[in-house]
Amino acid sequence: DIQMTQSPSTLSASVGDRVTITCRASQSISSWLAWYQQKPGKAPKLLIYKASSLESGVPSRFSGSGSGTEFTLTISSLQPDDFATYFCQQYNSYWTFGQGTKVEIK
Amino acid sequence: EVQLVESGGGLVQPGGSLRLSCAASRFTFKNYAMSWVRQAPGKGLEWVSAISGSGGSTYYADSVKGRFTISRDNSKNTLYLQMNSLRAEDTAVYYCANDRDKEAVAGIWDAFDIWGQGTMVTVSS
Repeated sequence: DIQMTQSPSTLSASVGDRVTITCRASQSISSWLAWYQQKPGKAPKLLIYKASSLESGVPSRFSGSGSGTEFTLTISSLQPDDFATYFCQQYNSYWTFGQGTKVEIK
Repeated sequence: EVQLVESGGGLVQPGGSLRLSCAASRFTFKNYAMSWVRQAPGKGLEWVSAISGSGGSTYYADSVKGRFTISRDNSKNTLYLQMNSLRAEDTAVYYCANDRDKEAVAGIWDAFDIWGQGTMVTVSS
C-alpha cells in the first residue's frame, strides 16, 4: 500500500502570505497526485490534478509541483476564502489521502 | 452541471446493514468510474471502494473488504454501497465521488472532480 504523509498538520498564516504544504509518498507515484480543499461540513473540492494541473475554475494563486515521491501545494497570496483543510491524494494505484493540513488564521 | 446526491445514511446498530445510494445527473454516467470515500468525525479522508464504468470491476479498501459491496445501475444513473456487518469504526460521512476523466481516457485511477454532499452513517447501540 502507498502511504501519503503531509506536513505540517496545522499552519497559521495571515492574508497575503505565501503558503506551502508538502506531501510525501512512500513510493514513487510519478505525477499521479491531486490536491483538495475542504471546508467544515462540505465535500472536498479538487484544486490540482496530475501534480501541477490546475482544475478549471480554481484561482491561479494555487499551484502544485513535484513528481516521484515529493510534492508541494503553494498558495501564492493567501486570501480569506483559503482558510480550510487541504488534502493530498495519490491515484497511481488505488487511492490514498494524506492526513490533511489545516490552514488557520494567524 | 453534473451533480451527485447521496441518500440512505442513518443510525444502525453494530452488526447491522445499510444501503447507500448516489444519484448522478450525468447522461454519460456509464463512461466514468465511481468511488465511495468516507470521513470519520474530525478525521481525514479514507477511500472505501471503487467501481468501473461498466460495473465489471470492483475495488475495496482492506478495512471494508468482505463486508461492503459496491454496485451501479447505469440505466438509473445510480451508484450503491451495500454495507453489512457494520462496526462502530464505520461511523463516518460517506461521499460518492466521480473520476475526473472518462475511464477510456484515464483508466480507473483518477482524481475526483465531483463529489456528493455526503450522507452520515452512525453505528451505535
